[in-house]
Amino acid sequence: AQSVSQHNHHVILSEAASLELGCNYSYGGTVNLFWYVQYPGQHLQLLLKYFSGDPLVKGIKGFEAEFIKSKFSFNLRKPSVQWSDTAEYFCAAGSGGGADGLTFGKGTHLIIQP
Amino acid sequence: GAVVSQHPSRVICKSGTSVKIECRSLDFQATTMFWYRQFPKQSLMLMATSNEGSKATYEQGVEKDKFLINHASLTLSTLTVTSAHPEDSSFYICSASETSGSYEQYFGPGTRLTVT
Repeated sequence: AQSVSQHNHHVILSEAASLELGCNYSYGGTVNLFWYVQYPGQHLQLLLKYFSGDPLVKGIKGFEAEFIKSKFSFNLRKPSVQWSDTAEYFCAAGSGGGADGLTFGKGTHLIIQP
Repeated sequence: GAVVSQHPSRVICKSGTSVKIECRSLDFQATTMFWYRQFPKQSLMLMATSNEGSKATYEQGVEKDKFLINHASLTLSTLTVTSAHPEDSSFYICSASETSGSYEQYFGPGTRLTVT
């Protein structure tokens, strides 16, 4: 069965700290991987995605993620967080064909303290 | 950029009534639209995949007779919750995938359904 797991449900950091959110997936066949962010009161926005090619993916707002196939992981990183990064972060996976719905992780609630 | 809208943003209905939620792609054509459900403090769960002009494909455990999906055009999909009950109260989110093949999904803002 397809599944996505996020290791941290709640993370609290101070501004300027480095961030790494874990994500592991279990998927048969080729997989597409995504990180979405949901700011308070807003809808999901795509941070970055991996379909193929360079396993180090750079997204918006200074975020990046690395696809490590051997570890079935797609961790999200940011070297220096800001207060405005406070949000819910979701890792998601979809089939390699790209036309199927996504399987989401449970989400990580990130709070950045000023 | 690609924008997906949902209407209404929130709705309160009485138990036993039906509610229709619309999902529109505003500036692109969407061959495929998806409906998700998000419980409080939980993740999104895929309910069904809707392809324009054909029947929706439902995920295991989702009652197709209760959650009616219609995708009549390349810019509109509707989800009707029939004979709603309090346990159907949830946040319903749609997404749309462009026909161009990028397969990126663009999410709507969601609809908060409360059944009393």
